[in-house]
Amino acid sequence: DIQLTQSPSFLSASVGDRVTITCRASQDVTNYLAWYQQKPGKAPKLLIYAASTLQSGVPSRFSGSGSGTEGTLTISSLQPEDFATYYCQQLTFGPGTKVDV
Amino acid sequence: QLLESGGGLVQPGGSLRLSCAASGFTFSSYAMSWVRQAPGKGLEWVSGITGSGVSTYYADSVKGRFSISRDNSKNTLYLQMKSLRAEDTAVYYCAKSDVAMVTGAFDMWGQGTMVTVSS
Repeated sequence: DIQLTQSPSFLSASVGDRVTITCRASQDVTNYLAWYQQKPGKAPKLLIYAASTLQSGVPSRFSGSGSGTEGTLTISSLQPEDFATYYCQQLTFGPGTKVDV
Repeated sequence: QLLESGGGLVQPGGSLRLSCAASGFTFSSYAMSWVRQAPGKGLEWVSGITGSGVSTYYADSVKGRFSISRDNSKNTLYLQMKSLRAEDTAVYYCAKSDVAMVTGAFDMWGQGTMVTVSS
């Protein structure tokens, strides 16, 4: 089974900041790495799939990159509605990164 | 749209069957999965099934106790859970893959159904 780790586990940021979250995998995940956003009490929302493809309807400030065993999610300019927990996934999920004020 | 049902309170060792009714897409063309989230914890993929229903996959934590199935004629996904433990307590989400393979990204999620295992 693929094991995923994320860093950082918690990120304190302000509106307008550029935020980067890293996901490391025990195997190559280039073609299948996805990123999700989850807010309290809500189902997760798909942001990025295939490591770098933006899901329809997701703002362009979100982007994904990476290859091999590492992927990154970047939010170019953090907005108030972006404070949430973010998960990477390739079937199994990473432990999550909470982005808070 | 995905709509889960069947959650509730069950005693340790008991059984429960979850259902997920799908609409708005060609159900049989896509793999489906169950994902759970224990209170205050992260997401855990539980089980997945291909569009045809021929292939099924399970997390080690539920292997031998849970069984996933689907009825493509009814556009419904199921999760039969047996020998339930306290650590199975969670919100259970059904999720649609964006491709026929279970390893696809989950582009549609249900609202979740709560399962509580307690005496």
